[in-house]
Amino acid sequence: GENVEQHPSTLSVQEGDSAVIKCTYSDSASNYFPWYKQELGKRPQLIIDIRSNVGEKKDQRIAVTLNKTAKHFSLHITETQPEDSAVYFCAASIGQAGTALIFGKGTTLSVSS
Amino acid sequence: GAVVSQHPSRVICKSGTSVKIECRSLDFQATTMFWYRQFPKQSLMLMATSNEGSKATYEQGVEKDKFLINHASLTLSTLTVTSAHPEDSSFYICSAQWASGRPDTQYFGPGTRLTVL
Repeated sequence: GENVEQHPSTLSVQEGDSAVIKCTYSDSASNYFPWYKQELGKRPQLIIDIRSNVGEKKDQRIAVTLNKTAKHFSLHITETQPEDSAVYFCAASIGQAGTALIFGKGTTLSVSS
Repeated sequence: GAVVSQHPSRVICKSGTSVKIECRSLDFQATTMFWYRQFPKQSLMLMATSNEGSKATYEQGVEKDKFLINHASLTLSTLTVTSAHPEDSSFYICSAQWASGRPDTQYFGPGTRLTVL
């Protein structure tokens, strides 16, 4: 079945450094790739997303890149801050956009000051 | 905009009882709602896809007779955990897609923490 692999499972960085989280997906029909940030006991918050017709998207300190050929996409956070500490999940649409999402296992990001 | 609520936020019940969780889109109409389950320190696992006015589509391994889903309107979906057992204890989260907005973006509810004693 469809699968999304996410690495690393944990990531510790110093404040101000960059953080990169990588995901690969198996379903070549997937065309929507969101990233969610989840703090303990709270709902996942959409932080950025990308569609298959775009290779890169940036929103202030956050950027996402997509390589459709290799079926992988990455989240880049620059100038990290302690409040960036959370669990980050990548996801891919199961087939065409508008359908359900399959999530990666998550990355626990810790930013120390 | 695009606010999704869930009720209750937390519930504790005895083994064998049934629990109903409501998911509402407060300021938009949701063509589709999804139900996920999340165990501690794990990812979100899709349980079922719910479309207004039709039967839910369940993922493999999810018992449809145990997890009853009703999507009676474009703003409300309910999940009923029937004959709950301790292994059903989990964080249940719904999400909704905005019919008139970006068709693929999912907005999540705050989740319901279910504890079965």
